[in-house]
Formats: sequence, C-alpha cells, structure tokens
Amino acid sequence: RKEVEQDPGPFNVPEGATVAFNCTYSNSASQSFFWYRQDCRKEPKLLMSVYSSGNEDGRFTAQLNRASQYISLLIRDSKLSDSATYLCVVNREGTALIFGKGTTLSVSS
Amino acid sequence: GAVVSQHPSWVICKSGTSVKIECRSLDFQATTMFWYRQFPKQSLMLMATSNEGSKATYEQGVEKDKFLINHASLTLSTLTVTSAHPEDSSFYICSASNIDLEAFFGQGTRLTVV
Repeated sequence: RKEVEQDPGPFNVPEGATVAFNCTYSNSASQSFFWYRQDCRKEPKLLMSVYSSGNEDGRFTAQLNRASQYISLLIRDSKLSDSATYLCVVNREGTALIFGKGTTLSVSS
Repeated sequence: GAVVSQHPSWVICKSGTSVKIECRSLDFQATTMFWYRQFPKQSLMLMATSNEGSKATYEQGVEKDKFLINHASLTLSTLTVTSAHPEDSSFYICSASNIDLEAFFGQGTRLTVV
C-alpha cells in the first residue's frame, strides 16, 4: 500500500463550483498533514496545514480523520486561478514529507 | 518565510557525464535536507534524506552510488548524479526544514540528459 494515496482526477469544474479532494495515508504514526499546490513545472507550495479539528482558510477547508487515516480538502467558489495540481502530504518520522500523486484541478469559465 | 535556493534551475548534459545540484538554506540552518525527484505527470518521490555531517539515508530503490549526496554544512547539501543517462532526466527538488519543522522547497532543477 502506498504511503499516501489520492483521488487520481482530473477534476474539471466550472468557475464557482465546489470541489472536494480526498486522501488516505498508511502510517498511523504520522503527525503532520498538509495540502500543497503545484503549478506546472514549478516547485510545490504550501497551501495549508491540516489539523485534527479541521481548519479553514478563506475558500479552502481541510479536514483530518485520524481514525480513518483520511484527509480532505474542499474548495468553494472555484476560481480560474485555482487550476493546479493539489498534493496531499504527510510526514514520516522526523521531517520527511511524503507526497501523494496529486489531483489535477482544471477550472473553466 | 525562509528561503531555500537551488542551483542550477535547469541543466542539459551528455550521457555519461556527472551533474551536481546545490541546495542552500539562505536564512536558517538545516540539519536535515531532503531530495525529491519528479517524473512527468508523477508525484514527487523522496529519494534520500541528507543529514549534516553524516551519510545520507536513501529510499528503497535509489542507488546511493549513482546519486551522491553531500551535506557538509548546515546550509548546503549537494546531489551529484553520476554517469547520467537519459532515464535520469527528471525534475529534482530539495527541501529543508527550519526549527519549527516547516518545510521549504528549492525552485527545482530540471535535468535533461541527451
């Protein structure tokens, strides 16, 4: 089983739509969880950390379910600029980050 | 935020030659840095953990004699791809974590072996 698994995508949605991405992780000892965004041929950039209580940053909401080892990201009111690949990221021991394969989002007008 | 600088940003080399990629943490000390590789339409795959002053820890399936890692100081780690071949063409990216365990990525190096 892969350490981090994500919806394969791609997700093609119109502007204004709400879209949700899911992710599961295999290492129950993981303590840190993130969503990163990667634009084509660029380095990944941190979108938001994910906390057990769930957290929101503007149009983005992240949820974590430790019992199910499941992470989600919800994007509301999608913008054209949200088009990117979204990477679910989980730490291994120490600070090594393990990336999911990524889910591609394409928002169209 | 903290800055990690990676150099070069792209390189084209002939098959059989070696290429060195540098990763520097510019405004913090990083005892640990990480090297990733990303093939087209694939995810970032952790190659190795670079530890300052000691040997790197390689992921399963990554050849340590081919991908030489040196972490001689708290601000610099280097990855040398030895005897590069076309199948080594990829996007290589480093990351470093600060004292708060926040990760910062270099800009990445796009290697093309011809």
